[in-house]
This record gives sequence, structure tokens and C-alpha cells, in this order.
Amino acid sequence: RKEVEQDPGPFNVPEGATVAFNCTYSNSASQSFFWYRQDCRKEPKLLMSVYSSGNEDGRFTAQLNRASQYISLLIRDSKLSDSATYLCVVKWDGGFKTIFGAGTRLFVKA
Amino acid sequence: DGGITQSPKYLFRKEGQNVTLSCEQNLNHDAMYWYRQDPGQGLRLIYYSQIVNDFQKGDIAEGYSVSREKKESFPLTVTSAQKNPTAFYLCASSIRDRGGNQPQHFGDGTRLSIL
Repeated sequence: RKEVEQDPGPFNVPEGATVAFNCTYSNSASQSFFWYRQDCRKEPKLLMSVYSSGNEDGRFTAQLNRASQYISLLIRDSKLSDSATYLCVVKWDGGFKTIFGAGTRLFVKA
Repeated sequence: DGGITQSPKYLFRKEGQNVTLSCEQNLNHDAMYWYRQDPGQGLRLIYYSQIVNDFQKGDIAEGYSVSREKKESFPLTVTSAQKNPTAFYLCASSIRDRGGNQPQHFGDGTRLSIL
């Protein structure tokens, strides 16, 4: 089993739709969690950290479920500009171990 | 502006040649990292450094070498021993934190290809 797993997609959604991605992790000692966005042939950029109580940043909501060992990202009112690959990132061992998921591709269509 | 600068943006390597990828940051971050990304795959850690003059192997260090003589700089050498070097190389840095809560920030990458 991979340490961090994501559905590769692609998710094809119309503008204005709500879309959700999940990411599962295998290490129960995982300490911190992030979502990154990566555009085609570009570097990953931090989208948001994921906190235990869940957190929101505009149209984006991140949730953590420690019991089931997954994190989620919800995007509301999708925009064309949201089209990208979304990477799930998990850290443990005091932050020295960082694992990136392979990403979920999202296409938002007009 | 603070940030991470990688150069060159594109690099071509001949058989048997060593090449060095540059990574410089002015964010005053202690920790720096090198990743490799292949098409359709996640990032894989090559080397990381938590402090000047110290670095550790990541998951795929064979065929690569690094140095960390200055806080701002973490160059990566792809040696001739790396038989499949074609990939997108990403350098990252972060605040060094034992709590593990600090995210990594990335440079814009170097694309390396074999001639």
C-alpha cells in the first residue's frame, strides 16, 4: 500500500460545480497535512494547510479524518482557473518525513 | 522579493557527463530539499538538508550528490551514474521545525533531458 494515495482522476466538472477530492494515508503517526496545487509543467504551490478541526479559505474547504486516515479538499463554485492537479502532502517524524501524493487532475469546463 | 530561484530552466546532458542544477533561496530558511518528478508521478525526495554543512539522502539518492556550504544555496549534481536522469527537478525550502507544521515552498524547477 502506498503511503499516500489519491485518485488520479481526471475529474471533469462544469463551471460552478462543487467537487471533492480525498487522499488516504497509511501512517497513523502522521502529524501535518497540506494541499498543493500544480499547474501543467509548473512547480507545486501551497493551497492550504489542513487542520484537525477543518478549515476554509474562500471557496476551498479542507477536512481531516484521523480515525479513517484521510484528508479531503472541497472546491465550491468551480472556476476555469481551478483546472490543475491537486497534490496531497503528509508529514511525520517531527516534520523530517514528507510524502507527496501523485495528484488528482481537475478540469473545469465552460 | 523573497523566493527560491532555480537555474537553468532547461538543461541537456550528454552521455557520461555530470551536470549541476542550482538552487538559491533568500527566505532565510534552514531546510532545503531536492525532488524529482516524472510524468504522472508524485514527487520523490532525492536529498534534503536541515542545516548548513549537513545533508541526508532521500528515497532516490543514487546517482546524485549535493552540498550545503551556505544557507542560501543547495546545488544538486546529477552524475553519470544516474542512468535515467530525464525528469523535472524541483528544489524546495522550509522553516526548520520539529513540530512538522511548516510547509515547503518550491522553486520553478529545472527540466533535464538526455541528448
